[in-house]
Amino acid sequence: NAGVTQTPKFRILKIGQSMTLQCTQDMNHNYMYWYRQDPGMGLKLIYYSVGAGITDKGEVPNGYNVSRSTTEDFPLRLELAAPSQTSVYFCASSYGHRYYGYTFGSGTRLTVV
Amino acid sequence: KQEVTQIPAALSVPEGENLVLNCSFTDSAIYNLQWFRQDPGKGLTSLLLIQSSQREQTSGRLNASLDKSSGRSTLYIAASQPGDSATYLCALNTNAGKSTFGDGTTLTVKP
Repeated sequence: NAGVTQTPKFRILKIGQSMTLQCTQDMNHNYMYWYRQDPGMGLKLIYYSVGAGITDKGEVPNGYNVSRSTTEDFPLRLELAAPSQTSVYFCASSYGHRYYGYTFGSGTRLTVV
Repeated sequence: KQEVTQIPAALSVPEGENLVLNCSFTDSAIYNLQWFRQDPGKGLTSLLLIQSSQREQTSGRLNASLDKSSGRSTLYIAASQPGDSATYLCALNTNAGKSTFGDGTTLTVKP
């Protein structure tokens, strides 16, 4: 079982560029999440999805977009990258919110210069 | 709004010591609570998951307790080892459909 796979692991973007962070899970989980973690800080929720075709905003959605066309994939799109988006991005998934915990990917470290 | 606090932010102990990490929360209407470990530059690894109806969970040298009435969870680590050095985070799931994370406690176990 691969679990939650994130690509790329590292990326440097120039201000104004765009990119997509990929997240795939092979556990047939309904729920998927995107978090960002700034240095020395906790995790902040960007977007989440409770199933294919359903997404919702978290605490810090500005500057990001998501889609969920399949159960397995939950890509995060950054449009017009800004230095404030320099962070480590984590994708997580879960069978369901009530009785199950989260499984995390290994993260994508993004630097915007 | 659920608020989660982990105090202290950092903790340093000598090897072999038993220790307790704390997680406090403001809304007791939770589904479950999960403890994670995060090594520097790495992702989060799940340690223990406690359901709302449970009082504690154990895995090896780790024991997590949950007291909803007081809004507290503790992670007990027995006979600490240098390999236990990491940041430990707690996360609460509520009916809001998403988890709330604490900022973590960074543990250093000195040989």
